[in-house]
Amino acid sequence: SQELEQSPQSLIVQEGKNLTINCTSSKTLYGLYWYKQKYGEGLIFLMMLQKGGEEKSHEKITAKLDEKKQQSSLHITASQPSHAGIYLCGADATGGGNKLTFGTGTQLKVEL
Amino acid sequence: DGGITQSPKYLFRKEGQNVTLSCEQNLNHDAMYWYRQDPGQGLRLIYYSQIVNDFQKGDIAEGYSVSREKKESFPLTVTSAQKNPTAFYLCASSPPLDRDPNEKLFFGSGTQLSVL
Repeated sequence: SQELEQSPQSLIVQEGKNLTINCTSSKTLYGLYWYKQKYGEGLIFLMMLQKGGEEKSHEKITAKLDEKKQQSSLHITASQPSHAGIYLCGADATGGGNKLTFGTGTQLKVEL
Repeated sequence: DGGITQSPKYLFRKEGQNVTLSCEQNLNHDAMYWYRQDPGQGLRLIYYSQIVNDFQKGDIAEGYSVSREKKESFPLTVTSAQKNPTAFYLCASSPPLDRDPNEKLFFGSGTQLSVL
């Protein structure tokens, strides 16, 4: 089965600092999804990457998928308190199905 | 507004008791899913249903049961056989595969289940 490892497990940054979260797969990723979760709430979709080398940005968040399609990174520029939460990567393991396998999550805290 | 509604937000279970978590969606999605979230373990798939009157076990189905009598509803029962039920439960739905959406899964706001 597909396994996703996220690093770091938790992260504390000062407001205004940049940060990167990584998601590594044991197998080729047919689709890689990034979600954000506030504590005790549901997941909010951020971005989806499908092609090797693909990069997408939304506001101050950029996600990349490497050429081999086994690693993705999520980069936040000039972090703000609103960026705090849990970031999860999810992968389509079958290349066409709707079931996603999720990583263990990265908890981000942004200090003023 | 279309979305997924989970209820209740908080639920408490006594020893030997079965409890049912509700999940309703008005997105007209065929597929629905139940995930369990434990601290430090991410989301794990319990059950999923691709169509009405059909469902399959996920990775951690033991101690749980589901039904899919209506397209809009996918309730999850946590039975007394589930010895460690304390967790955050998330319901999700997804549109048909041929729609190829950018967003694969739409999530509800979750139910926190605790054991008394």
